Amino acid sequence: ETGVTQSPTHLIKTRGQQVTLRCSSQSGHNTVSWYQQALGQGPQFIFQYYREEENGRGNFPPRFSGLQFPNYSSELNVNALELDDSALYLCASSLRVPGANVLTFGAGSRLTVL
Amino acid sequence: GENVEQHPSTLSVQEGDSAVIKCTYSDSASNYFPWYKQELGKRPQLIIDIRSNVGEKKDQRIAVTLNKTAKHFSLHITETQPEDSAVYFCAASIPRSLTFGGGTRVLVKP
Repeated sequence: ETGVTQSPTHLIKTRGQQVTLRCSSQSGHNTVSWYQQALGQGPQFIFQYYREEENGRGNFPPRFSGLQFPNYSSELNVNALELDDSALYLCASSLRVPGANVLTFGAGSRLTVL
Repeated sequence: GENVEQHPSTLSVQEGDSAVIKCTYSDSASNYFPWYKQELGKRPQLIIDIRSNVGEKKDQRIAVTLNKTAKHFSLHITETQPEDSAVYFCAASIPRSLTFGGGTRVLVKP
C-alpha cells in the first residue's frame, strides 16, 4: 500500500505566474482534498474532489482550480499568483463512506512567490 | 461556516508531566474531531480522533474528550516524552471538509 505523494516538493514562482501541483492518492482512497498551510497556521480547506468533480470548496477565489483523474490522482492549479499564495500546499486523500472523513496527508508542496 | 479556536498557542512542559490542549468549535453539525501532530517540515499525522456519539477516547498516553453541549474538545497527553515535541492541530468536520485550529506548539523539556 502506498501513501499520498505530492510533487514538486519545493518551487519558486514570481507574481502573476501560474503553477500546477500534483497529488497521487493513497491506494484504495477515492477522494482528494487540498489544503493551504501558511507559515505558523493551521491548514485551510481549498476544495475537495470526488468522482472527478469538485465536491466542496472553501473560501478561495476562482483562480484556485483543480482536477481529479480516473485513477483518483489530482492537480491543483493556481493562476495569477500573488505574494500571499506563498504557503505549504497539502493534499489529503480519503475514502468517502458515510460518517467518516479520515484524511491521510501528503508531505506537501512548498510554494514561494516572489 | 465552521470556526475552530485552539488554546494555548504554545505549551512548554517538563518531561513526564501532562499536557492539555483545548479547542472550541462553532457549528453544531460538526460530527468528527481529529487531532493531528505535525513535526517540523513533515506532514500532519493523525494521532487520535473522536466522533460526536462518543464522549471520551483513549489510546495509550493520549486521550481526547468531547463536550457536545459546550462545543469543546480537548487533547490530553500523559507522561510526556521529548518525542512528543511538535505542533498539534485540532479539527472539526462537517461533510466534505475539516476546519483546523491554529495549532499548539508543544515543547517537552528533558
